[in-house]
Parts: sequence; C-alpha cells; structure tokens
Amino acid sequence: NAGVTQTPKFRILKIGQSMTLQCAQDMNHNYMYWYRQDPGMGLKLIYYSVGAGITDKGEVPNGYNVSRSTTEDFPLRLELAAPSQTSVYFCASSYGQASGSPLHFGNGTRLTVT
Amino acid sequence: AQSVAQPEDQVNVAEGNPLTVKCTYSVSGNPYLFWYVQYPNRGLQFLLKYITGDNLVKGSYGFEAEFNKSQTSFHLKKPSALVSDSALYFCAVRDIDNNNDMRFGAGTRLTVKP
Repeated sequence: NAGVTQTPKFRILKIGQSMTLQCAQDMNHNYMYWYRQDPGMGLKLIYYSVGAGITDKGEVPNGYNVSRSTTEDFPLRLELAAPSQTSVYFCASSYGQASGSPLHFGNGTRLTVT
Repeated sequence: AQSVAQPEDQVNVAEGNPLTVKCTYSVSGNPYLFWYVQYPNRGLQFLLKYITGDNLVKGSYGFEAEFNKSQTSFHLKKPSALVSDSALYFCAVRDIDNNNDMRFGAGTRLTVKP
C-alpha cells in the first residue's frame, strides 16, 4: 500500500515555464488536497477536491490549476512559474470530513523558480 | 474562517523530561483538532485528533493532547521526551460547521537533547 505518491521530488524551473506536479493515492479516498509549505508559515491550502470531477479553491489558488478526472489522481498545474511559487508542495488525501478523518500526506515536491 | 496559533517557534527539552507544545485555535462552529509531526524531507504524519468526548486524547508514540474549550487550546504533551521526538509539529483545525479545509499552524520545532 503506497499511500500518497508525489512526483517529482525536486524540480528547478525558469520564470515563465510551466509544469505539472503529479499526485496519486491508492486508498480510495474521496478527498484530495494540495498545500504549499513555506518556512515559518505552516501549510496553505491551494486547491482541494471532494471527488472526481469536483474541485474548489483554497486559501492561495492564484497561479495554479487542478483537475480531478479519477479518484486516484489529482495533478497540480503551474502555467507561468514565478519566483513566489518557490516552495515545497504537499498533496494529501482523506476518507472524508464529517468523520474527522485525518489527512494522509505525500513526501512533497521541492520546487525552485529562478 | 478558522485559524490556529502556535505561539512557540522552538521548544527545547532534555531527554526524559515532560514536553508541551502549545496550540490555540479560533473557529465559529465546532472544531475538529489535529496534531501532525513532520520529519526532515517527509510529509506530515498524523499523531492524534479530538472530535468529541473525553477532553484528553491519546495518540501515536506516547503523545497525548488536552482539549480545553474555555481556553480554546489543544496542547500536545508527552510525559517523557525522547531524542527521536525531535521534529516539526503542526496543530490543525477544521471547522466542520462552516468550512471544508483544514487550517494549520506555523509549526513548532521540538528539539530533545540527550
């Protein structure tokens, strides 16, 4: 049981380039999330999804896009990379929300935009 | 919107001594409260949660936390710290009545010295 898998682990982008951060979970969780972690700032929610075909904005969605075509996958797209998007990105999933289900996190993607 | 405060950036304790990592929260409805731990270059791992019932909850690795509604606090505790407990700890809150996302504190770095 792999849990939540994120690829790549590291990436360096030039300003204006685009990329997709991949996230897959094998726990049949309905809920999936993307967070970014910046030093001393905790985690900020970018986008989340409550099921296939449904996505919604979180606290800091600008500059990002997501899609959820299957239960398993929840890719995050950066269209025009900016230095402000240098961060560590974490994907997470949970069984539900009303039950107080905890989040299961991947190991993160460290992105540098120069 | 809900919020979480972790007033200490850093907590240092000697091995064998009790430890406390503080957390206060703000929600308009009923809170679900969580503690997560993060080791270097890894995603967050769930430690424990408070949903309802007994105010003292026990979790993984000997950790426990006490929910105090009047003080809106959810401090993490352990009776006897281990060097291997050294890590970054995050408190999180979800307001089930009013929102879907989980908000995280900025994190507290715990260092346990031999």
